[in-house]
Amino acid sequence: DGGITQSPKYLFRKEGQNVTLSCEQNLNHDAMYWYRQDPGQGLRLIYYSQIVNDFQKGDIAEGYSVSREKKESFPLTVTSAQKNPTAFYLCASSIDSGRSYEQFFGPGTRLTVL
Amino acid sequence: GEDVEQSLFLSVREGDSSVINCTYTDSSSTYLYWYKQEPGAGLQLLTYIFSNMDMKQDQRLTVLLNKKDKHLSLRIADTQTGDSAIYFCAESNPRGKLIFGQGTELSVKP
Repeated sequence: DGGITQSPKYLFRKEGQNVTLSCEQNLNHDAMYWYRQDPGQGLRLIYYSQIVNDFQKGDIAEGYSVSREKKESFPLTVTSAQKNPTAFYLCASSIDSGRSYEQFFGPGTRLTVL
Repeated sequence: GEDVEQSLFLSVREGDSSVINCTYTDSSSTYLYWYKQEPGAGLQLLTYIFSNMDMKQDQRLTVLLNKKDKHLSLRIADTQTGDSAIYFCAESNPRGKLIFGQGTELSVKP
């Protein structure tokens, strides 16, 4: 089965702790994306990566960091500098960044910071 | 700037048609899309329309594009309870980036 997996589905952390969200795809896609979803605000792009070892900031990158050491994996770290980290985080991938509309989404991780 | 607007809620009766509306600001958009999100899940691409088209039909789904008014709509015929979800309108800018609307929560009552 090809697809995108995100783990865990629910994550709880104490304020001030860094936390890393996992995103893995076996679709052989070059491009990967991280979005944040808040109620009534749609999706906002945090970071994206067009190819291994390369990534760019999206619209709301402050307080987040990413890495792209392998094609299949694009983990997102929510740092203690992120002022309001509680949200639903979605990872997506596309064949390449030129076809970003054909984005396949993972099931999401709901992060709650206590 | 780039902005996509949708109304937040829509409620219909089972069997009726649903029409979800969206407006966008970027006239250089190449594609416009509709995504569906079921509760607690990721987004699923439902359909998309190229900016030089006026209409696209796919089974129960009809997409209408009024490029002059920058207005996009999604009509779902014979709406079923399984269609209850959040529907996102999105546009792609010339750099290939997707801009999403806030999402319209469709509630289908039996």
